[in-house]
Amino acid sequence: KAGVTQTPRYLIKTRGQQVTLSCSPISGHRSVSWYQQTPGQGLQFLFEYFSETQRNKGNFPGRFSGRQFSNSRSEMNVSTLELGDSALYLCASSRTGRKGSYNEQFFGPGTRLTVL
Amino acid sequence: DQQVKQNSPSLSVQEGRISILNCDYTNSMFDYFLWYKKYPAEGPTFLISISSIKDKNEDGRFTVFLNKSAKHLSLHIVPSQPGDSAVYFCAASGFRDDKIIFGKGTRLHILP
Repeated sequence: KAGVTQTPRYLIKTRGQQVTLSCSPISGHRSVSWYQQTPGQGLQFLFEYFSETQRNKGNFPGRFSGRQFSNSRSEMNVSTLELGDSALYLCASSRTGRKGSYNEQFFGPGTRLTVL
Repeated sequence: DQQVKQNSPSLSVQEGRISILNCDYTNSMFDYFLWYKKYPAEGPTFLISISSIKDKNEDGRFTVFLNKSAKHLSLHIVPSQPGDSAVYFCAASGFRDDKIIFGKGTRLHILP
């Protein structure tokens, strides 16, 4: 069974630009969550999508948005990039996104975004 | 406001000994707790979880203890092995929603 894939793996952008990251969940998983990992803040929850609907949202500005397609693939978009957006962006998928050891999240390898 | 705290950024343990990683939380609404392990250049991988109705959950060399009154949980690894060297994240979620809140992580070094 293929794992969670994220593209691209590395990205370099300049301030003010926008970026779109992609995540393909494990087959059969309908929940996709996005996290930002920085050295000082650890993993911070961005949002979660389930059946093409945003179900949960973290405390990030509106420049961070996402969507999910009918095949459960998800994209995350960051507009008007700032230097502080440099981070590892992780995507995780699970069957339903609900709690329970049977429904653990599987993480992708992440996209390393550098904003210059 | 950090709801899940891992106060030790790093920990070094001799191979074969017990590793104890600690985690504190502030939100009494959390009812499900998880530990993840992360190697460099990889995404975190799920290790073990515990529901708030339990105080202990064991899986092989890994045991998680939950002390609800102290809002504290710990991960015990016995015996510690070189492959256990990684960053460990404590995480929690509440019954209102399934949003998972992570701590900042503890880097564990297993010494030969």
